[in-house]
Amino acid sequence: QKEVEQNSGPLSVPEGAIASLNCTYSDRGSQSFFWYRQYSGKSPELIMFIYSNGDKEDGRFTAQLNKASQYVSLLIRDSQPSDSATYLCATTDTGRRALTFGSGTRLQVQP
Amino acid sequence: KAGVTQTPRYLIKTRGQQVTLSCSPISGHRSVSWYQQTPGQGLQFLFEYFSETQRNKGNFPGRFSGRQFSNSRSEMNVSTLELGDSALYLCASSLGGRSNQPQHFGDGTRLSIL
Repeated sequence: QKEVEQNSGPLSVPEGAIASLNCTYSDRGSQSFFWYRQYSGKSPELIMFIYSNGDKEDGRFTAQLNKASQYVSLLIRDSQPSDSATYLCATTDTGRRALTFGSGTRLQVQP
Repeated sequence: KAGVTQTPRYLIKTRGQQVTLSCSPISGHRSVSWYQQTPGQGLQFLFEYFSETQRNKGNFPGRFSGRQFSNSRSEMNVSTLELGDSALYLCASSLGGRSNQPQHFGDGTRLSIL
């Protein structure tokens, strides 16, 4: 069974700090990796996706992928209180448009 | 560009009834996927439609079904509702084609079973 593991948190960081969110996955066939942000009572919002080993940066967000270690992470620089949300890691494998989600990490950014 | 639109936003049903949920994808998106989100099980994949055909299916009973129309709009049906079907049902659309296209979610339909 394909599994995506995340620490449920909460991960608490002070405003302006770097938040580091981590995710491991069990299926070596996983090809694509996505990070979604979900505010309480709202639907998931796509913030980053990464397909290749290495880093991908978009504004304050950096996604990092290491397929050999089956590990993907999300860094949020200059964290803001508005970043406080649950961050969901998800993967798909080749040929299937079915996202497998982790249980999410709750991030709290303290003003 | 309009996002994914789901209707209705909220539904209250009783056990044994059936329900139909609707999803209009982002313009130009041909793939529509459905997910169930509950506090206990998290986000789980139900099924995916592309070009009016179900391409992938998750591990849910046959009471859960869906379809897609020629304009890419999709509906999901749940028959013989059970208390455990209370959940947020989310629709996501993507361009389709390659499986790694990002999926964008609608606001969801919150279904409560009494």
